[in-house]
Amino acid sequence: EAAVTQSPRSKVAVTGGKVTLSCHQTNNHDYMYWYRQDTGHGLRLIHYSYVADSTEKGDIPDGYKASRPSQENFSLILELASLSQTAVYFCASRGTGQDTQYFGPGTRLLVL
Amino acid sequence: GEKVEQHESTLSVREGDSAVINCTYTDTASSYFPWYKQEAGKSLHFVIDIRSNVDRKQSQRLIVLLDKKAKRFSLHITATQPEDSAIYFCAASMTNSGTYQRFGTGTKLQVVP
Repeated sequence: EAAVTQSPRSKVAVTGGKVTLSCHQTNNHDYMYWYRQDTGHGLRLIHYSYVADSTEKGDIPDGYKASRPSQENFSLILELASLSQTAVYFCASRGTGQDTQYFGPGTRLLVL
Repeated sequence: GEKVEQHESTLSVREGDSAVINCTYTDTASSYFPWYKQEAGKSLHFVIDIRSNVDRKQSQRLIVLLDKKAKRFSLHITATQPEDSAIYFCAASMTNSGTYQRFGTGTKLQVVP
């Protein structure tokens, strides 16, 4: 079974503060993704990466940066957190040549 | 870009009945259509998929139908059980490519005794 872990599992941040969400996978997958989940919007892709040291923008990248320092690790960075970034964030991985994505447990972020 | 619409936001069925969740997509180039299940308070996990070279796929009580002409696909859950209660997400993408899956907004299925 593929393994994707996220930390922290929940976080309370202040508006204007910096937030870093971390994701680690042990699947040896090349592709990693960051999504946010909001009621009524489903899952929306923020950033993704298919190789270390490179990231790509998804559908809603504004206000977020991503970092992929190694194949196993993918971070999502909110430089100036805003109220509208309160959501649940999911990381996922996928192997090259495969279609199924494996999701992490999620991080619940509350920005006050 | 691809847009996936999931038509039912909530669905309630009696235990033992069938449930049907419908999705439509816009990009004719999409060829891979997975379904994910999210149980309360948990993450998503893959349940079944269909590729554009077939129009029907079954895995135990789950059936996926694909109508490429109408750009529509659906998940049928037969003989529903309480453990089927969850949020179901459909998605669409091109297979084995650098693109990513676009997700629907989710359908909350409740199976009542």
